[in-house]
Amino acid sequence: LAKTTQPISMDSYEGQEVNITCSHNNIATNDYITWYQQFPSQGPRFIIQGYKTKVTNEVASLFIPADRKSSTLSLPRVSLSDTAVYYCLVGGNTGNQFYFGTGTSLTVIP
Amino acid sequence: DVKVTQSSRYLVKRTGEKVFLECVQDMDHENMFWYRQDPGLGLRLIYFSYDVKMKEKGDIPEGYSVSREKKERFSLILESASTNQTSMYLCASSPGTFSYEQYFGPGTRLTVT
Repeated sequence: LAKTTQPISMDSYEGQEVNITCSHNNIATNDYITWYQQFPSQGPRFIIQGYKTKVTNEVASLFIPADRKSSTLSLPRVSLSDTAVYYCLVGGNTGNQFYFGTGTSLTVIP
Repeated sequence: DVKVTQSSRYLVKRTGEKVFLECVQDMDHENMFWYRQDPGLGLRLIYFSYDVKMKEKGDIPEGYSVSREKKERFSLILESASTNQTSMYLCASSPGTFSYEQYFGPGTRLTVT
């Protein structure tokens, strides 16, 4: 079961780019990497998913190196509303391989 | 929009009580999940189900059971609630064969006294 390691917390000023890195040394061949965002008193919300190289959507970018043992979520020009906990999830298409980890608490400062 | 609803936002029960947490999704998803969330421990998978009447244990199934009699409904059961089961419980659903995009409900904060 591929487990993940993320920084516990990060601070950033408004307007800056934020990069959150997740380590997943035991990632399996068929595992995808998925990131979720969670605001207080809400359930997590899907942000982005990737398998290798780079994926970009309207919210974020996800960078995955060739060895896939880590991944980086990049949030461009963060605002106060991006203050949340961000979870890196590594999962395959079999069984109960959904490990969320402890997440990274991002605080955006005005 | 996908909607996942949970029967209660807040629940207070006494030690030894039998507790039912209900989750309903309205998008005909095959997969449903129950997690608990505790400070410093993140989200931990309790049970999941990939079809009606099918269930699989997650990372922390001890002290819990589940029921899925209908596709849209997944129930989490605490047979005899204990104080260490005080937590936030989150239900999620996803389409297809273990799609990585899970849709979460708002959560139920359970307090066992």
